[in-house]
Amino acid sequence: EDQVTQSPEALRLQEGESSSLNCSYTVSGLRGLFWYRQDPGKGPEFLFTLYSAGEEKEKERLKATLTKKESFLHITAPKPEDSATYLCAVQASNSNYQLIWGAGTKLIIKP
Amino acid sequence: DTEVTQTPKHLVMGMTNKKSLKCEQHMGHRAMYWYKQKAKKPPELMFVYSYEKLSINESVPSRFSPECPNSSLLNLHLHALQPEDSALYLCASSQDTGYEDTQYFGPGTRLTVL
Repeated sequence: EDQVTQSPEALRLQEGESSSLNCSYTVSGLRGLFWYRQDPGKGPEFLFTLYSAGEEKEKERLKATLTKKESFLHITAPKPEDSATYLCAVQASNSNYQLIWGAGTKLIIKP
Repeated sequence: DTEVTQTPKHLVMGMTNKKSLKCEQHMGHRAMYWYKQKAKKPPELMFVYSYEKLSINESVPSRFSPECPNSSLLNLHLHALQPEDSALYLCASSQDTGYEDTQYFGPGTRLTVL
């Protein structure tokens, strides 16, 4: 069964304290893995798409990496405005539109 | 520009009302989606339109009726909803090339059914 698991469920960090969020997946062929950021009451904001193992993408303080089993979202020297829920979703190669979502990681950055 | 717009931002309706949610994108995307999201849960796919034709209906009750008037617009018509339908309703779009399938989401409509 196709599945996406995110860990931890919640993460509290001090401002400037770097860490990583994990997204592990089991799918019958990967078409793409997507990271989104979601603020309360708002729609998910696209961050990264990763397609193949070994791929890395960066944006400001965020860096996403991909292996054959999992993806990491590394956050370097986070600021309070990075506080949000981070969602990971996977598209299987036999699916045109459906995304398999993880439950999300709620990140809180304390000043 | 990767913007999807949705109106209204908030909607309160009674169980006997008829209302519509609207979504618009000008990115030239040919796939458009409706999702429902409950608190502390990931988005749940409802409908997908591809090239203005309904491609996926995830067994959604008939009180939700989607419409795609053209390639830039997507509507969701609501009728006789139940309180448990209260949620954040999200619209998304993607290029639909089979390769670049990143979905871009709108800000959502917060729906409350009384």
